[in-house]
Amino acid sequence: NAGVTQTPKFQVLKTGQSMTLQCAQDMNHNSMYWYRQDPGMGLRLIYYSASEGTTDKGEVPNGYNVSRLNKREFSLRLESAAPSQTSVYFCASSGISRSDVLYGYTFGSGTRLTVV
Amino acid sequence: SQELEQSPQSLIVQEGKNLTINCTSSKTLYGLYWYKQKYGEGLIFLMMLQKGGEEKSHEKITAKLDEKKQQSSLHITASQPSHAGIYLCGADISNNDMRFGAGTRLTVKP
Repeated sequence: NAGVTQTPKFQVLKTGQSMTLQCAQDMNHNSMYWYRQDPGMGLRLIYYSASEGTTDKGEVPNGYNVSRLNKREFSLRLESAAPSQTSVYFCASSGISRSDVLYGYTFGSGTRLTVV
Repeated sequence: SQELEQSPQSLIVQEGKNLTINCTSSKTLYGLYWYKQKYGEGLIFLMMLQKGGEEKSHEKITAKLDEKKQQSSLHITASQPSHAGIYLCGADISNNDMRFGAGTRLTVKP
């Protein structure tokens, strides 16, 4: 099925450990995004990539790095995890065709990360 | 900072009742999206509104954007347990930057 695939679905880290969240889309979308979702805060943009080879900071980039490996893949890295990074992380993608704009962003199913 | 204010934060209704969720922005909205999220899942697109006064319906869900394009409402008629979940509004504030409301958690009691 076409869409956005995120791995892993669940992860527990110890403070100071590092990890990379993977995201891949097969809809030929140019733009990809990483959001975090916290209770009462809605979704907040961490980083985005408007096209292959470019990345930009969003609203809450501190403590994260990203890589747009190719048009399909956009990874999010936590170099030294902190308890404040406990959250649900969503990857999304969007395109520029008329139908893409009408349907907004396509989201992955999320990664539930706990940092202890 | 939160660009969109959603109300109420949570809602519990009896099956069969109607309900309304609101999304308000201090700035003009140029594209307002409604999504639904079930626990443990990603966001599913419901509807997108662009024009002032626009109204769209899908099955028992109707979304409206006011004439000033600063407020949107989502109305569910004759709610069912399948409508339960978190409803989020999202709006583009610039290219490649969609902001979201905090969400409204809907519970439908059978």
